[in-house]
Order: sequence, then C-alpha cells, then structure tokens
Amino acid sequence: GAGVSQSPRYKVAKRGQDVALRCDPISGHVSLFWYQQALGQGPEFLTYFQNEAQLDKSGLPSDRFFAERPEGSVSTLKIQRTQQEDSAVYLCASVYGTSYNSPLHFGNGTRLTVT
Amino acid sequence: GESVGLHLPTLSVQEGDNSIINCAYSNSASDYFIWYKQESGKGPQFIIDIRSNMDKRQGQRVTVLLNKTVKHLSLQIAATQPGDSAVYFCAESLIYNAGNMLTFGGGTRLMVKP
Repeated sequence: GAGVSQSPRYKVAKRGQDVALRCDPISGHVSLFWYQQALGQGPEFLTYFQNEAQLDKSGLPSDRFFAERPEGSVSTLKIQRTQQEDSAVYLCASVYGTSYNSPLHFGNGTRLTVT
Repeated sequence: GESVGLHLPTLSVQEGDNSIINCAYSNSASDYFIWYKQESGKGPQFIIDIRSNMDKRQGQRVTVLLNKTVKHLSLQIAATQPGDSAVYFCAESLIYNAGNMLTFGGGTRLMVKP
C-alpha cells in the first residue's frame, strides 16, 4: 500500500504567520511521530501519538507548536507565529504497533521556510 | 534537489568497493538500533536494524555490527553502487513503554564514484 504521505511538500511562510502541516500515516498504523530536521542534522523528536492520544510532546520546542490526531489517523502539526528558527524539514513517521522494536516508516517531509 | 546535509562527514568510495560507516551512540541503556538511508529531498528509509542482544546482523549487501562495550555501531555495505550514494543515519531507541522514539546520530554522507 501507500507509504506515509505529507503535505504540502514545501511551505514558505512570512515570519509571524501560522502554518499547518499534514501527515497521512500508513493505514492501520497505531503510532505516529513528528520529527524536525534542520539542514545538515539528523531528525529530532517532536511528539508521539498512539491512536488519538498524544503520549509524549516533550520535543516540541515551544508552546507555538501544537499537534493533533483527533481520529487516530491523519495528524496535523501546527506552528503559530512562525519564526525564522522554525525553518526546517518536518518529518512524519508511523509504525504499526507500539513495540519499540519496530522501525519507523517516514514520509518525505514538509520543508518549511520562514522568511 | 536540496542537499540533506551540507556539513556532514563524507565517505567517498569507488563503485564496487566495500563501505564502512561508523556511529557512536550516546545511551548505554539503548537496546534497539537502526540504520536509515536518506536521499536528497526524501525522508529516511529503513535499511537494517539490530537488537542489543546481538553483535551482528546481515541483510542484502548490508551488515550491521554492534559493540556495546564502546557504544559503537557500524554499517557495512558490500559492493557499493552509485545508488547507495546518500546520507546515512544511525538511530538508537531508548527503552520506552509507549512507543518507539528514536534518537538520531549526526549522519554520514556516502559518495560513490563510478
């Protein structure tokens, strides 16, 4: 079946604008993760959902970042009042179960550029 | 496409040679390790994984070695091909009750010369 799908592929926002990034995980995958990847760096954990429950949001850098997954499938990462330091690739990943011994399946990300 | 990593360590190998990419992980409590390949403009792609109760695991053309004593992980690619050119990340999984949060290393760019 289809892999993890993210949209938009690219997003340019003026500083201070709000943005919403969408993730469609692989159908049936229980666990969903958001990661942030700065240029030249490895991905860094932002938040984790198990079905609709957000079980860990310790990686969100500020209260301007908000994620939801209301029906346990599609997830949205929202960034309010964007700042230049928010410029990065935002990756979504999903995995079927909740076991920590399963590899994550990543989407191709949304590249956010804040001008 | 845009480069995944402009300032990453780079390994340059000749097509057909074997490649070895090294990674030092940070947490001695980690018990699950994964290698990902990331091509420009794409998300990380799973290559191979290994649990901490193993020292070695082999896949198709790839082998992962784990040395828990020195917290070192390596990825060996046999008969490297141009299509192997990408950035490679190791990731470790912290023991986590409710999920599979991965901590990624800094990455190594592999360049394969034809």
